[in-house]
This record gives sequence, structure tokens and C-alpha cells, in this order.
Amino acid sequence: KAGVTQTPRYLIKTRGQQVTLSCSPISGHRSVSWYQQTPGQGLQFLFEYFSETQRNKGNFPGRFSGRQFSNSRSEMNVSTLELGDSALYLCASMGTAPDTQYFGPGTRLTVL
Amino acid sequence: AQKVTQAQTEISVVEKEDVTLDCVYETRDTTYYLFWYKQPPSGELVFLIRRNSFDEQNEISGRYSWNFQKSTSSFNFTITASQVVDSAVYFCALSERAGGYQKVTFGTGTKLQVIP
Repeated sequence: KAGVTQTPRYLIKTRGQQVTLSCSPISGHRSVSWYQQTPGQGLQFLFEYFSETQRNKGNFPGRFSGRQFSNSRSEMNVSTLELGDSALYLCASMGTAPDTQYFGPGTRLTVL
Repeated sequence: AQKVTQAQTEISVVEKEDVTLDCVYETRDTTYYLFWYKQPPSGELVFLIRRNSFDEQNEISGRYSWNFQKSTSSFNFTITASQVVDSAVYFCALSERAGGYQKVTFGTGTKLQVIP
């Protein structure tokens, strides 16, 4: 089975712009979660989608949003980018193995 | 509140040495899962092991072994005969169900450097 894929792998944006990141889960997995990883804050949970519905959300401002499509692919959007949004954004999919998340390679976002 | 502590920020060992990565967790739940993930420089978090709260059996997989002790709320990870390819950041994580939803808390990670 192919693993979790994320595109793009690297992204450079400027403050005020918006960005959309994409994640394709492992085939058959219906849950997709997004995390932000920074050196200062570590791994922080953004949100989880299951069957096109957001079922859990972390403590991030409304500039961070996401959605999931009927094929379980998910997108994450960040509007009005700030310097502090520079991070590695990781997507994880989960299937039937209890609570076990499988991660993609991440998208490294740099905001200038 | 759930919490995962990885007190070792960085560890350096010489190749072929054994190394143990510590993980201590806090939870009020009786049902939970514990995980270890490896993050090489490429960035992807690689799943290594899952252990549920009712299974305190230690596990060995090749050069890797895990020691789960509920009495001390610890889930330590040992690499035997370390190799340069083991160099990575290792994360311990705790997963609980809160209000029907999964809540995952990651530790801050331990950076392991294996010197040839």
C-alpha cells in the first residue's frame, strides 16, 4: 500500500498570503489529522477530519482551516500568513488499527 | 490532564552501544494507547510501536525493545547495538479518548545521534 503523501513538500510564501496544503491518506483510511511542528512548540494538533466532517480541532486561530473530500483526501488552508506560521505541517491518516496514525513526509512552509 | 515527558533532549552514543530513551506519561484514563515514532532528518514520522494500557508485556523487534510499566507510568525504548541509521528524533505519544474523540499528546522528542 502506498503511504501518506503530501504536496507540495516545500513552500515559500510572504506575509499576508494564503496557502493550501494537500494530503492523500493511505488507501482505505478515512481519518486525516493535521499537525504543526515547530522547534519551539513541538508537535501541535490542528484538526481531524473523518468522512468529510471535522470531528476534532486543536487550539489554532480561524486562519487555519481544512476540509476533506469524498475520496478522503484532505486540504489545509492558512490565510493571512504570519512569520510564526513557518513550520513543518504533517498530515496523518488512520485506519482501523486503534488510534494509530501514519504520517506523511510533511510540507515545510517558510513565511518571509 | 494528559502529559508526556521525554526528559532527554539529546543523546549521543558510539555505534554498537545500547541506548535507552525514556518516556513518562500522565493520564487519568484507564484506557489509552502509547506510541513511539521515529523522525529522521527527512521529516516523516515513522510509526514504530503501539501499546495499549492493558498490555504490559514487553516487546522486542529486532534491535528494538520496549518496556511498559504502568506502576511508574513509563514506556521506555531501548535500541541494542545502535547503528548510524538510528540517528533521528524519537517521539513518545499518548492517545486517549476524550468525549468520544481521540486526543494525542506528543512528547518533545529525544534527538539521538549515533557516532560511527
